[in-house]
Amino acid sequence: SAVISQKPSRDICQRGTSLTIQCQVDSQVTMMFWYRQQPGQSLTLIATANQGSEATYESGFVIDKFPISRPNLTFSTLTVSNMSPEDSSIYLCSSSFGVETQYFGPGTRLLVL
Amino acid sequence: KQEVTQIPAALSVPEGENLVLNCSFTDSAIYNLQWFRQDPGKGLTSLLLIQSSQREQTSGRLNASLDKSSGRSTLYIAASQPGDSATYLCAVNTGNQFYFGTGTSLTVIP
Repeated sequence: SAVISQKPSRDICQRGTSLTIQCQVDSQVTMMFWYRQQPGQSLTLIATANQGSEATYESGFVIDKFPISRPNLTFSTLTVSNMSPEDSSIYLCSSSFGVETQYFGPGTRLLVL
Repeated sequence: KQEVTQIPAALSVPEGENLVLNCSFTDSAIYNLQWFRQDPGKGLTSLLLIQSSQREQTSGRLNASLDKSSGRSTLYIAASQPGDSATYLCAVNTGNQFYFGTGTSLTVIP
């Protein structure tokens, strides 16, 4: 299994600013993912964070809005850029060793005013 | 594209009752199916994972079944307790991606 921590756990931000969320895994993992969970909704995959290369984004999500880094096998960041109130969500990082299952972090609760 | 639906969206039961949560998916070509628990404002905790070749999995008071051909899974919770109050999510793993249902919000009343 993998234990995942995220920073910050929550934040309140002003419109137009950017926030970078950090995800740290306690072991080297193959895959890392970023999800968004809007209020009352289920999880939506934003992108797969690839180590040493550009992230793979899902339909509806673009790199300019959600730049992602993954410098090594245990760490990734997601930046929410030029925020608007519609970006208020829980952002979740997950990781996996293969296709079997995913382990989730505690999430980052973001409120944009 | 895989679509995952959970019914009911919300459920409130008195303590001690047995209950069933339902999950349906549109494409039977799955790798496995997983049930998660999410407490308010928290991340996801894995409860049970059923491989595509399996029919059910049990852990304590929880039993999950899978009928891949009909695109259905159920999560059975026996003798419910107030501590079971949470949102329960099912996720279908296609081997390439996880598709999550919208969840069932469960409240167990003492």
